[in-house]
Amino acid sequence: DSGVTQTPKHLITATGQRVTLRCSPRSGDLSVYWYQQSLDQGLQFLIQYYNGEERAKGNILERFSAQQFPDLHSELNLSSLELGDSALYFCASSSSRGEYNEQFFGPGTRLTVL
Amino acid sequence: GQNIDQPTEMTATEGAIVQINCTYQTSGFNGLFWYQQHAGEAPTFLSYNVLDGLEEKGRFSSFLSRSKGYSYLLLKELQMKDSASYLCAALGHYGGATNKLIFGTGTLLAVQP
Repeated sequence: DSGVTQTPKHLITATGQRVTLRCSPRSGDLSVYWYQQSLDQGLQFLIQYYNGEERAKGNILERFSAQQFPDLHSELNLSSLELGDSALYFCASSSSRGEYNEQFFGPGTRLTVL
Repeated sequence: GQNIDQPTEMTATEGAIVQINCTYQTSGFNGLFWYQQHAGEAPTFLSYNVLDGLEEKGRFSSFLSRSKGYSYLLLKELQMKDSASYLCAALGHYGGATNKLIFGTGTLLAVQP
């Protein structure tokens, strides 16, 4: 158990809908990272927050957005969902902004878009 | 740009040694990570190298050559439970942001009896 929690574990929804994925980092970790993992593309970095502020952005679509709240939990919002958005979404946390640090991954949310 | 290459699949025998290679191209390189991921589960940290050389941790070792943009993960005394995907990831500067972790597509290792 990494100490990172994600909810829900599974999510099934329809195209065009909007969903929110939630992540709680390990106690004391200030950085939260979101990743998307689909079968054909491996782990893709989406976005990083550090202590409430956006720190780095990866291959995140404009239909997706995220935020980190004062209690350090983070939410990833996915809207106008398409079939291709079906994937495992992982959240990871670390103790620092991005210099060497081990990222601890949550168990993931499996999103299925029908 | 940035690029990470590793073999897609490898097969090895229980009790043997296997080496998984990774080559990378990135700007502002700041370290190389290896993660293990079992199917449907979260990646778990194995190793981090930032200086050239070999880091040993039990049955797993990781090597880095910064000048060659090359790393490998060495697994000794293979066990069936080592069957998993092994992800190579480089920490560097991408797209205007510092210290982003970019993952390779992973090497799926199958350990056979």
